[in-house]
Amino acid sequence: GENVEQHPSTLSVQEGDSAVIKCTYSDSASNYFPWYKQELGKRPQLIIDIRSNVGEKKDQRIAVTLNKTAKHFSLHITETQPEDSAVYFCAASHQGAQKLVFGQGTRLTINP
Amino acid sequence: DADVTQTPRNRITKTGKRIMLECSQTKGHDRMYWYRQDPGLGLRLIYYSFDVKDINKGEISDGYSVSRQAQAKFSLSLESAIPNQTALYFCATSDPTPGLGETQYFGPGTRLLVL
Repeated sequence: GENVEQHPSTLSVQEGDSAVIKCTYSDSASNYFPWYKQELGKRPQLIIDIRSNVGEKKDQRIAVTLNKTAKHFSLHITETQPEDSAVYFCAASHQGAQKLVFGQGTRLTINP
Repeated sequence: DADVTQTPRNRITKTGKRIMLECSQTKGHDRMYWYRQDPGLGLRLIYYSFDVKDINKGEISDGYSVSRQAQAKFSLSLESAIPNQTALYFCATSDPTPGLGETQYFGPGTRLLVL
């Protein structure tokens, strides 16, 4: 079955700097890669996703890149702000499996 | 997402007790999921259901059971609770885009403490 590894487990950056979180997956048939953000005491919510037919997707200050050959994908947050502090989860799935497999999560702290 | 609700939001119980966590959704989604969240372990799938007559085990189903009473309701039971089932439990729903993947919508979570 699919296995998703996420690094780092914790990340601390200065406000205004960029943050990068990386995930690797094992199943080459996976074709959907979402990222979820979980603020303290809240539910995970989708912030961006990418399908396997594209290599990069941007939405304002966040972007996700996908390298299908290497089987890894990354979340990039630029110009970080205090409200970016949260736990971020990557996940992977493919239509045949019909369920998401999540990474272990990254706790991102933005220092003012 | 207010369309997915969970009850109770917090629960303290004792070892050996039976407990049920409930999830309801008004999104009209066929697919529903139960996850548990533990620090450093992410979200792990307990059970999932793709329709009322379909129930599937996830990666950590031992010690849990589920019931899909209707399209909108999916309950998780701990038949005999043990302390290592202390965790944050999330219900989620999805309506996958055919051939492309799926987005999951999470409930607010139930924090369970087993003494």
